[in-house]
Amino acid sequence: DAGVTQSPTHLIKTRGQQVTLRCSPISGHKSVSWYQQVLGQGPQFIFQYYEKEERGRGNFPDRFSARQFPNYSSELNVNALLLGDSALYLCASSLMHQGAEQYFGPGTRLTVT
Amino acid sequence: QKEVEQDPGPLSVPEGAIVSLNCTYSNSAFQYFMWYRQYSRKGPELLMYTYSSGNKEDGRFTAQVDKSSKYISLFIRDSQPSDSATYLCAMREPNFGNEKLTFGTGTRLTIIP
Repeated sequence: DAGVTQSPTHLIKTRGQQVTLRCSPISGHKSVSWYQQVLGQGPQFIFQYYEKEERGRGNFPDRFSARQFPNYSSELNVNALLLGDSALYLCASSLMHQGAEQYFGPGTRLTVT
Repeated sequence: QKEVEQDPGPLSVPEGAIVSLNCTYSNSAFQYFMWYRQYSRKGPELLMYTYSSGNKEDGRFTAQVDKSSKYISLFIRDSQPSDSATYLCAMREPNFGNEKLTFGTGTRLTIIP
C-alpha cells in the first residue's frame, strides 16, 4: 500500500504570495494532520481534520487555513507568505481510533524569498 | 518551559555501541508516547509506540516510559551506520478526536563505522 503522499516536493515563493500544499492519506485513513518543521526543530502542530471537519488547531495565525475533501485528501493554504514560513510542511494520517498511530508523508519543503 | 525537552545533540557513537536517547515532559496528561526517526530532508518514520508506563521492545529498539518521573527513553542495541538520523520523541493526550502530537526538538545521532 502507498504511504502518505504530498505534493509538491519543493516550492519557492516570494514574500506576500500565497501557497497551496496537498496531501493524500494512506488508503482507509480518514484523519489528516498538518505540521510545520523549521530547520533544527521538531514538528509543530498546525491543523487536524477528520471527516472534513476541523478537529484541532495549533498556535498559528489566520494566514494558515486547511480543508479536507470527501476522498479524505487535504490542502493546506498559507496566505501573505513571510520569510519565517520557510519550513518543511508535513502531513500525517491515521485511522482515527483511540490511540491510533500517525504516519507521516515525505513533506513539502517551502522556501520563501 | 517547553512541554517536551530533548537534548539536540549531536551524539556520535561507534558502531556496535548501545545508544540511549531521552526526553522529559511536563504535561502529566500525556498517555501515548512515540519515537520517530527522521533522515535528512525526509518525513518522520514511526519507530516505537507505547501507551502509559512500561517497556516495549522491537528488534534492536527498546522504548521505556516512566510516567512518575515524566521521562521516556529509546535504547538502540548493536547500533549500525544506517541508524544515523535525527530521533524525535512525540507524545499526546488520550483525547479521542484530537490527535495533536507534541514533539521534542530531536536528537541528531551519528554512528561511526
